[in-house]
Amino acid sequence: DAGVIQSPRHEVTEMGQEVTLRCKLISGHNSLFWYRQTMMRGLELLIYFNNNVPIDDSGMPEDRFSAKMPNASFSTLKIQPSEPRDSAVYFCASKIHASGNTIYFGEGSWLTVV
Amino acid sequence: RKEVEQDPGPFNVPEGATVAFNCTYSNSASQSFFWYRQDCRKEPKLLMSVYSSGNEDGRFTAQLNRASQYISLLIRDSKLSDSATYLCVSLTGANNLFFGTGTRLTVIP
Repeated sequence: DAGVIQSPRHEVTEMGQEVTLRCKLISGHNSLFWYRQTMMRGLELLIYFNNNVPIDDSGMPEDRFSAKMPNASFSTLKIQPSEPRDSAVYFCASKIHASGNTIYFGEGSWLTVV
Repeated sequence: RKEVEQDPGPFNVPEGATVAFNCTYSNSASQSFFWYRQDCRKEPKLLMSVYSSGNEDGRFTAQLNRASQYISLLIRDSKLSDSATYLCVSLTGANNLFFGTGTRLTVIP
């Protein structure tokens, strides 16, 4: 079975540009998470959805970040405008339902903003 | 204060050694705990859940001490392939998963 699929795997962009990261959930999963990982701060939860509905976006750094889940299997995380401090690995993860315990990560999107 | 705190290491141990990691959590309402493993430039993957009674999976033993709010992971007979970063995770409520920053382990031949 396909796992969580993220794209792009790597992106280098200039400050001020818009960045869109994409995620496809594991089939049958209905909870989706966006995490950001840096050396200094580790893994930070940005936002999560249950059944396409955003439940907690308190981790979203600021208004430059937005996330959507237009259908049950797909999500986007957008940064506009991007800044060098946004450089990080962005992981998407899913789990089977709200009360399931095991979370499965995608391979991550490595973002560098110069 | 972070929800979950770990010693970042690095821990450098010889093959065959026993190594232990501890992790503390701040929210007494946390109800589930896990250890994840993350290889260099890869995504985190579940290693094992942590149960109150303690649990073992081959060379790996996880324990939970609710009174002191800490979780431990013991690795016996370390292998080179155990080299990775080990992330301690607490779950509060339905979906509030909090990750520690990880403890880096290098097993040396």
